[in-house]
Amino acid sequence: DAGITQSPRHKVTETGTPVTLRCHQTENHRYMYWYRQDPGHGLRLIHYSYGVKDTDKGEVSDGYSVSRSKTEDFLLTLESATSSQTSVYFCAISGVVRAGSYEQYFGPGTRLTVT
Amino acid sequence: DQQVKQNSPSLSVQEGRISILNCDYTNSMFDYFLWYKKYPAEGPTFLISISSIKDKNEDGRFTVFLNKSAKHLSLHIVPSQPGDSAVYFCAATAAGNTGKLIFGQGTTLQVKP
Repeated sequence: DAGITQSPRHKVTETGTPVTLRCHQTENHRYMYWYRQDPGHGLRLIHYSYGVKDTDKGEVSDGYSVSRSKTEDFLLTLESATSSQTSVYFCAISGVVRAGSYEQYFGPGTRLTVT
Repeated sequence: DQQVKQNSPSLSVQEGRISILNCDYTNSMFDYFLWYKKYPAEGPTFLISISSIKDKNEDGRFTVFLNKSAKHLSLHIVPSQPGDSAVYFCAATAAGNTGKLIFGQGTTLQVKP
């Protein structure tokens, strides 16, 4: 298994509070991604990083920000949590992105509930 | 708009039989497709992939078929085992897309003993 951990694994927070989720990898992979999983939607990309300090938006980035100050850590911040952000959040990593090699490896997930 | 669609939310098959999971896509720029398997309370795990230059890729009990003209791919599991019971996601990406994957909604497979 790829060395990916996510913390916390579970969190309950109140509407309007900031929340930060952490993804840590020990694989020295360049690419890191944050997804959310919701019923009927599969997994949707929130933000991704293609190197230290290099990040970009995914398809559902509103209300989220990210930071990557070290290769091994990718942080996802909900600036002011809303109930619509209740979801399961997955981090993924990828070592290379080239023809014939697009596999991503996922962490165990963080279940976030916003009340 | 959903660029990758899995129109069957669930599928139930008998142990030993074939499981066929389907996936359709709309974006003709997609050139690489992947299948992931997910157990409850775990992250998705990579299963098998296929490039658009191929129409079939096989790995043990798992085979993925790609029909580019129909923009359709399918995952065949033969023979199905109870341990295959999970949610299966198909995903697609386009070259030069920084590896961003677009996922379908998932299909829950139940393999009955």
